[in-house]
Amino acid sequence: QMQLVQSGPEVKKPGTSVTVSCKASGFSMRDSAVQWVRQARGQRLEWIGWIVVYSGNANYAQKFEDRVTITRDMSRGIIYMELRSLRSEDTAVYYCAADPMVGSRIYASWGQGTLVTVSS
Amino acid sequence: DIQLTQSPSFLSASVGDRVTITCRASQGVRSFLSWYQQKPGKVPNLLIYSASTLQSGVPSRFSGSGSETEFTLTISSLQPEDFATYYCQQLSTYPYTFGQGTKLEIK
Repeated sequence: QMQLVQSGPEVKKPGTSVTVSCKASGFSMRDSAVQWVRQARGQRLEWIGWIVVYSGNANYAQKFEDRVTITRDMSRGIIYMELRSLRSEDTAVYYCAADPMVGSRIYASWGQGTLVTVSS
Repeated sequence: DIQLTQSPSFLSASVGDRVTITCRASQGVRSFLSWYQQKPGKVPNLLIYSASTLQSGVPSRFSGSGSETEFTLTISSLQPEDFATYYCQQLSTYPYTFGQGTKLEIK
């Protein structure tokens, strides 16, 4: 059973950084691509970026390009999403989702979501 | 960025109804379009990928069609568990944008 498990909720102050992790179980992440998506309360889903796990190549939405880094630790099967210079508008639930075969573009497996709250 | 516009944004329907949700793209996305269902407080659930392929385990009352700039999601006979918000996502061009969502409510 393919499963993604994300790290727990975070409370951060404006201007700081947060790192959310996403660990795969039940499948090998090596051949996959992982996208990160966020959703503020009552708002639409918003695409942040993605990573091709075996190469480490990442692509980011222009809105986040200067503040986000997505990386992976292949030995541990974990993907990380770091968002810097946090502001209150970054308060949202952050999701990872995996495409188990790069290029198939089938994002059927999602993490449970991580609530990031940015507040002074 | 490719803009996805879903219509309607809100839809009121009854159990047993046939409903159709449209997703229009600001430029062609070939068939790289997925549909998700999301219930309050829950994770999005993939229904359809590649515009018309039903994800394993999804009931056959859901179907998708379209290509390039116009896509539809159809539920042939609404069931009580189908009342949720539906999103389309294009996976043709970065950034992989989402539609604004269609909230399906019980009439």
